[in-house]
Amino acid sequence: DMKVTQMPRYLIKRMGENVLLECGQDMSHETMYWYRQDPGLGLQLIYISYDVDSNSEGDIPKGYRVSRKKREHFSLILDSAKTNQTSVYFCASSLPTDAEQFFGPGTRLTVL
Amino acid sequence: QQKVQQSPESLIVPEGGMASLNCTSSDRNVDYFWWYRQHSGKSPKMLMSIFSNGEKEEGRFTVHLNKASLHTSLHIRDSQPSDSALYLCAASGTGGYKVVFGSGTRLLVSP
Repeated sequence: DMKVTQMPRYLIKRMGENVLLECGQDMSHETMYWYRQDPGLGLQLIYISYDVDSNSEGDIPKGYRVSRKKREHFSLILDSAKTNQTSVYFCASSLPTDAEQFFGPGTRLTVL
Repeated sequence: QQKVQQSPESLIVPEGGMASLNCTSSDRNVDYFWWYRQHSGKSPKMLMSIFSNGEKEEGRFTVHLNKASLHTSLHIRDSQPSDSALYLCAASGTGGYKVVFGSGTRLLVSP
């Protein structure tokens, strides 16, 4: 059963706290992505990972970092969260970078 | 930086009507286009992809691509209320070229 999972689904943090969002996939996909989605802005790419320890900045990497130590797992870290990082975060995976992406259910993050 | 422009931003069609959505890339390195559908509160799911000039039909959905103008369009005939969703267009090129999403067209099919 092809699946992308995200944890947690909902998270409320205070400004300045650290945030860890986790993503897993069971399809052995090499490529994984982190996006954020805000009303009227579609999906904005934060980071892309081509495989273990092979990560590349997306369009809006500032304030975020990632970690990929296993092919099936990709983490997004916010060090000292800011209120403007309140958003819905989606993780996705695909085979090569030009293939169909499979999305997780999303994490709704609120930074107060 | 490549941009993907979608129009219109929102669209209301009557049940049974035809919905037409447009998408254009600003980068000539783009080779592939996808259409994703995202229902409210859910994650995006790939609806159709098109890589060659011409037309592709799957059920009530038809996608056109004109590579010369980097323009793709999605047409939904006999629209149903369940088609109400945000439709996202994505474009990418070969060789690890990153996928870029447009900001979407919000479609409402009124019963």
